[in-house]
Amino acid sequence: GENVEQHPSTLSVQEGDSAVIKCTYSDSASNYFPWYKQELGKGPQLIIDIRSNVGEKKDQRIAVTLNKTAKHFSLHITETQPEDSAVYFCAARVTGGGNKLTFGTGTQLKVEL
Amino acid sequence: EAGVAQSPRYKIIEKRQSVAFWCNPISGHATLYWYQQILGQGPKLLIQFQNNGVVDDSQLPKDRFSAERLKGVDSTLKIQPAKLEDSAVYLCASSLNGESGAFFGQGTRLTVV
Repeated sequence: GENVEQHPSTLSVQEGDSAVIKCTYSDSASNYFPWYKQELGKGPQLIIDIRSNVGEKKDQRIAVTLNKTAKHFSLHITETQPEDSAVYFCAARVTGGGNKLTFGTGTQLKVEL
Repeated sequence: EAGVAQSPRYKIIEKRQSVAFWCNPISGHATLYWYQQILGQGPKLLIQFQNNGVVDDSQLPKDRFSAERLKGVDSTLKIQPAKLEDSAVYLCASSLNGESGAFFGQGTRLTVV
């Protein structure tokens, strides 16, 4: 089955700096890659996603890049703010077979003042 | 648009007792997922429904866990009997179909003592 690895497990940045979180996946049949933000005591919130026919997608301060050849994708947050502090999860979905969504292990992002 | 609704928010039970969780997905969403999230880990899929049919339950411990979505709308997840290692947050998510993004509820935090 699909295996998603995520790095780093913790990330601390200064307010205004950029943050980058990286994920790799194992199944070349994966074609959909969402990113979720989870704040304490809440469910994961979908913040951005990318499909395999696109190499990059941007939404204000958030961008995601995908390298299908290398089977890795990354989340980029620019001009970080304290409210960006949360746990971020990447995920990958394999086409067919029930379209199961497999999650990474999460990155605890802390934006310091 | 109302989000995914889950109840209860919190539940504390003794081991060997039974417990049930309820989920009402976003209106019109055909796909419903139950995930288990142990503290410090990413969500792990327990079961996925497409309308009222099971698409994937390969990681559901069927000797103690059961789930149903009889009318293809809301769903219940049951654990009987509970074990200490079942302590986790149980997340329900839904998507329009298996090809689109999944939206999560706030989860039910289960503590087994």
